[in-house]
Amino acid sequence: DAGVIQSPRHEVTEMGQEVTLRCKPISGHNSLFWYRQTMMRGLELLIYFNNNVPIDDSGMPEDRFSAKMPNASFSTLKIQPSEPRDSAVYFCASSLSNTQYFGPGTRLTVL
Amino acid sequence: ILNVEQSPQSLHVQEGDSTNFTCSFPSSNFYALHWYRWETAKSPEALFVMTLNGDEKKKGRISATLNTKEGYSYLYIKGSQPEDSATYLCASLPSNSGYALNFGKGTSLLVTP
Repeated sequence: DAGVIQSPRHEVTEMGQEVTLRCKPISGHNSLFWYRQTMMRGLELLIYFNNNVPIDDSGMPEDRFSAKMPNASFSTLKIQPSEPRDSAVYFCASSLSNTQYFGPGTRLTVL
Repeated sequence: ILNVEQSPQSLHVQEGDSTNFTCSFPSSNFYALHWYRWETAKSPEALFVMTLNGDEKKKGRISATLNTKEGYSYLYIKGSQPEDSATYLCASLPSNSGYALNFGKGTSLLVTP
C-alpha cells in the first residue's frame, strides 16, 4: 500500500484565495483525521470522520474551514478565504483501529 | 491534568547515552496511550500503543512504560544513536472520544556523534 497520500505537498497562496487540500486514506481504513501543526500549538486535531461521516469537528477554527469526505477513498479540507495565520503544515491520517497512519503533510503558506 | 504534557521540550545527548522522556496525561476516562516518532521532513510514525496499567513495550533499543493510575508514561532509549534524532510525540485516547487522539507537543531529541 502507498500509505496515506496528500496533495499538494506545498501550497503558496495569497490572502483571500481559496485553498483545497486533498487526502487519500489507506485502503480499508474507516477513520480519517485532519490535523494542523504549528510551532505555537503543536499538532491539533481539526476534524475526523468515521465511515465517511464527520464525528467531531470541534477543532475546526472557524467557518472559513470546511471538510468533506464524499467516499471512503477521498477527503478534502477547504479554507475560504485563506488568511496568513492559516499558514501551517496540514496532516491527514487514517486508521482502522487504534493506530493512526499519517500522510506526508501539506505545507501551506498564505502571503 | 487536562492536557497531555511532555517533558523535557528538547534534549541533546551524545551518541551512546541512554535517555528518557516523560508524558503526563489525564488519568480519568483513559483508554490508550500512543507514542509516535517524528523525523524532520517526514510524517509521524507509530511506535507503541499501550492500554493496560503497568504495560511495558519494547522495540529494539526503545521501550515505554505506562502508569494509568497516576497518568504518566516514560519512553526510554538505550544507547542513543544519531538516527534516533527526532521528535517523540505522545497522545492519549480518552474512552469517550471515539478515535480522536490528544497529542502533546513532543520532546525533540538530538543525538550527536
